[in-house]
Amino acid sequence: DAMVIQNPRYQVTQFGKPVTLSCSQTLNHNVMYWYQQKSSQAPKLLFHYYDKDFNNEADTPDNFQSRRPNTSFCFLDIRSPGLGDAAMYLCATSRDNNQPQHFGDGTRLSIL
Amino acid sequence: GQSLEQPSEVTAVEGAIVQINCTYQTSGFYGLSWYQQHDGGAPTFLSYNALDGLEETGRFSSFLSRSDSYGYLLLQELQMKDSASYFCAVPTSGTYKYIFGTGTRLKVLA
Repeated sequence: DAMVIQNPRYQVTQFGKPVTLSCSQTLNHNVMYWYQQKSSQAPKLLFHYYDKDFNNEADTPDNFQSRRPNTSFCFLDIRSPGLGDAAMYLCATSRDNNQPQHFGDGTRLSIL
Repeated sequence: GQSLEQPSEVTAVEGAIVQINCTYQTSGFYGLSWYQQHDGGAPTFLSYNALDGLEETGRFSSFLSRSDSYGYLLLQELQMKDSASYFCAVPTSGTYKYIFGTGTRLKVLA
């Protein structure tokens, strides 16, 4: 009974070719997050939404954008992927502030 | 600045007890969470401490001392499947963001 679902699990794209990663949730949580995680590192927050209010981290590259068309879905768009963008991308949700986060299984992105 | 520090690696044998420490420096404090992450997998929530003291959930316990800005995760009766990375995390003041610790890689040996 997956509650935070990310598709696909593995994504391969070409250098410079736009790619979209998707996340959906069945928890009806207010907050959704996108993290980037590289090997042996902690997850790095890219964006988060409280409902439709978008919050961008200061160090998130302009190449990364996000959309949340409704409560259940959130997308991460990488406009022109570079080799350095190869990573695991994690979507997470939480009901509200100070509540535990629930993570999806992640999408591992490879850049050719 | 805000930061959470953890040991980078801990090794223990099956059946042993291991403690993974987390010291934090934050502006405002709302609680300390712990997550487990196996290689290639996503973080899974283990525990949350908002108040001082020990919270026990099966073989795992988590402790918090707000006066010392310190917490730990205690794993008992270690099993091979406990080999994973463990992250502490705190929600930040006035936002919905979480800061993650540096992560501790636990290796359980037979």
